[in-house]
Amino acid sequence: DPKIIQKPKYLVAVTGSEKILICEQYLGHNAMYWYRQSAKKPLEFMFSYSYQKLMDNQTASSRFQPQSSKKNHLDLQITALKPDDSATYFCASSQVPQNYAEQFFGPGTRLTVL
Amino acid sequence: GDQVEQSPSALSLHEGTGSALRCNFTTTMRAVQWFRKNSRGSLINLFYLASGTKENGRLKSAFDSKERYSTLHIRDAQLEDSGTYFCAAGNSNNRIFFGDGTQLVVKP
Repeated sequence: DPKIIQKPKYLVAVTGSEKILICEQYLGHNAMYWYRQSAKKPLEFMFSYSYQKLMDNQTASSRFQPQSSKKNHLDLQITALKPDDSATYFCASSQVPQNYAEQFFGPGTRLTVL
Repeated sequence: GDQVEQSPSALSLHEGTGSALRCNFTTTMRAVQWFRKNSRGSLINLFYLASGTKENGRLKSAFDSKERYSTLHIRDAQLEDSGTYFCAAGNSNNRIFFGDGTQLVVKP
């Protein structure tokens, strides 16, 4: 059974629209993260949450807003979508709320903005 | 990425042979992880090291924080080892950086 679920797997959106990427982890971890991987680039850290509180934000744009309704949920709301937002978005979690702790990744959501 | 230099970018091996992947870091890192991205795009955890070496089957990894590098050795490569391998390292400022990946193809 998958331990980190991301929905949807693929997502197509039009410029200017808003989408929410879903992430749930069933590892009992206390920290969750979002990463982005654009074409031909390495994964980039976006956000980290610990016990449902924001720990770190390295995303410049306020159009990206994490939402945590439960300890094991960390969704990512993206507003006013742009074609440059097209990427695969990975959710991850770790037991210890440190970026250098061992992290486990979900399968990703591939977002395409037209 | 700027903080992590991963090499080689691509590697072709025949079944049964081996090689090593390497990540060099521009700053001192506290820990390193190695992943393999499978054909479905999922990141599979291979190793997590804060120091020293670990071995798992045909894979072995080493991390030297002082010398600022980590390696991943693959021996007796099999077809199912094909995929893209990534290292990721975290520093004391709680920043994590990923390498660009090594695309491994294992041929019969």
